[in-house]
Amino acid sequence: SSELTQDPAVSVALGQTVRITCQGDSLRDYYATWYQQRPGQAPVLLIYDKNSRPTGVPDRFSGSSSGNTASLTITGAQAEDEADYFCNSRDTSDHRLWVFGGGTKLTVL
Amino acid sequence: EVQLVESGGGLVLPGRSLRLSCAASGFTFDDHAMHWVRQAPGKGLEWVTGISWSSDSIGYADPVKGRFTLSRDNARNVLYLEMKSLRPEDTALYYCVKDIRAQSSGLFQDWGQGTQVTVSS
Repeated sequence: SSELTQDPAVSVALGQTVRITCQGDSLRDYYATWYQQRPGQAPVLLIYDKNSRPTGVPDRFSGSSSGNTASLTITGAQAEDEADYFCNSRDTSDHRLWVFGGGTKLTVL
Repeated sequence: EVQLVESGGGLVLPGRSLRLSCAASGFTFDDHAMHWVRQAPGKGLEWVTGISWSSDSIGYADPVKGRFTLSRDNARNVLYLEMKSLRPEDTALYYCVKDIRAQSSGLFQDWGQGTQVTVSS
């Protein structure tokens, strides 16, 4: 099955820009989707189809992709952005299956 | 308002079975694929299983294949997860998740609050 790799932790100063990455062979064929999970809450869909945002997601969140790496960029990080971020993508071995990255804990300093 | 209400979790002995249910409301249930995603305490998200709107396509993650069975009742707007031969490593919060599309797309648009499953002797 496919695997997606994320850095366990990233930090950013308030108001600065941060990039969270997700690596995996499946990303050469499929877009990554990004989710935010605040402590004690269910995840929230952030970015899909490379760089589409559901209604209500601030435009400081954006997605991009190159080769086997997908990135989530937060431009002007806010205190409320401190959360865990997960990527996911389709499993290349079986199109019915999905895989998540291990998650990145973002700290806003 | 979309509501996904999970039930059926609890404490169970290794090797025993549980059936989770997810009651859906606030949207047209049979317009959407549905999934279960779990999260072990302090760990990341793990996709478990997903089903298309018509039940003609069902997928299972390798750790649960052959032990878990996913089904849906579009007349009652309910998603079911039958879990057999439970193991301690199945201990997690199980989320019921609505896909953005009718066929499984991996775009998990709405999440329930989860039901806790604990497998322990």
